[in-house]
Amino acid sequence: DIQMTQSPSSLSASVGDRVTITCRASQGIANYLNWFQQKSGKAPQLLISAASNLQSGVPSRFSGSGSGTDFTLTINSLQPEDFATYYCQQSYSSPYTFGQGTKLEIK
Amino acid sequence: QVQLLQSGAEVKKPGASVRVSCKTSGYTFSKFGVTWVRQAPGQGLEWMGWVSAYNGGTNYAQRFQGRVTMTTDTSTTTGYMELRSLRSDDTAVYYCARDLWGSTADTWGQGTLVIVSS
Repeated sequence: DIQMTQSPSSLSASVGDRVTITCRASQGIANYLNWFQQKSGKAPQLLISAASNLQSGVPSRFSGSGSGTDFTLTINSLQPEDFATYYCQQSYSSPYTFGQGTKLEIK
Repeated sequence: QVQLLQSGAEVKKPGASVRVSCKTSGYTFSKFGVTWVRQAPGQGLEWMGWVSAYNGGTNYAQRFQGRVTMTTDTSTTTGYMELRSLRSDDTAVYYCARDLWGSTADTWGQGTLVIVSS
């Protein structure tokens, strides 16, 4: 199975900050990488597919990049509603494994 | 709009089985599949498998092979996930999601809590 490792595991930031979350795959996965946001007690929401494809309705302050084994999720100008846990997931080969999550908290 | 509505919480004893349903609406059911993902309390997301609503084909994670069955009913646009031989570490919220091929779940249900306890 492909292992997905996110860093950091947790992050404190302020409204208006720019933050970056990284995700590393244990082998090359081209651009087969999804990003999800999960708020407390809620279902995950797909933010980005294919490493950089922003889903409809997702604010443009979210962006994704990367290819191969290293990927990033960037959030520009953090808003209060962005404080949540973020997961990457490889969509390259089954089982489609997730990273362990990055919890973004208010500083 | 696309919606997935899951069945309610379940409490089961070790060794029992559970069946979770996922009623969909707002899209052509047979053009997609249903992915199942679970999340143990305070833990991350775990992909369990996918079932095609077109032909019933399945793709299960190896660790659930032999213990899980995923099906769909096109007449009611509903997906089902049955997990057998339940253990305490199967306690989790189980999510269904719309997914074209099993690799990118674009719309999720609200989740179903399954508690396994004697």
